[in-house]
Amino acid sequence: DQQVKQNSPSLSVQEGRISILNCDYTNSMFDYFLWYKKYPAEGPTFLISISSIKDKNEDGRFTVFLNKSAKHLSLHIVPSQPGDSAVYFCAARTDNAGNMLTFGGGTRLMVKP
Amino acid sequence: SQTIHQWPATLVQPVGSPLSLECTVEGTSNPNLYWYRQAAGRGLQLLFYSVGIGQISSEVPQNLSASRPQDRQFILSSKKLLLSDSGFYLCAWRGNLYGYTFGSGTRLTVV
Repeated sequence: DQQVKQNSPSLSVQEGRISILNCDYTNSMFDYFLWYKKYPAEGPTFLISISSIKDKNEDGRFTVFLNKSAKHLSLHIVPSQPGDSAVYFCAARTDNAGNMLTFGGGTRLMVKP
Repeated sequence: SQTIHQWPATLVQPVGSPLSLECTVEGTSNPNLYWYRQAAGRGLQLLFYSVGIGQISSEVPQNLSASRPQDRQFILSSKKLLLSDSGFYLCAWRGNLYGYTFGSGTRLTVV
């Protein structure tokens, strides 16, 4: 049972345009959501996050939107740059003893020059 | 500052051989530690987590085991590797609200 899903395995965008990466979740107990960026042969690095009590968080070119009623979040990158090409993972946190993060399957973003 | 070290970076092992991957954290005490695996073309799957010395929780049944002999050391092991154990293994440490800090990963190829 996948509690966090990224239904698009890949996305191709032209440089300068907007990239929108989507993520859906099923567990209403998730209290914090994060996006990670991963380059090949490297560990994921934190990108941006949002608390479940908010609906938007912005950091430079990156904005995360949360729609709790739809159990959906999205990451917007604008303008997209070739260096943004990577795999993006959506993750959700449960506030329990392990504070585990549950990850989606990832979306490979390719930004074409 | 806190750092996380994971080694080796790459490993090629024959089927049936043992495995030991090590992860250490510096600059923090009593961290929550995690082992994840990314199989080819797949997402990140949580294998084990530990909230303290000697405390290991397993998320999925598998051919692997984990141990935490010291506060800042987390080890992933196998007695006999299977082909299906191939993948990219990541150790992570839980920081603040910003979730995890990941190690650089180990690419394991079982041949």
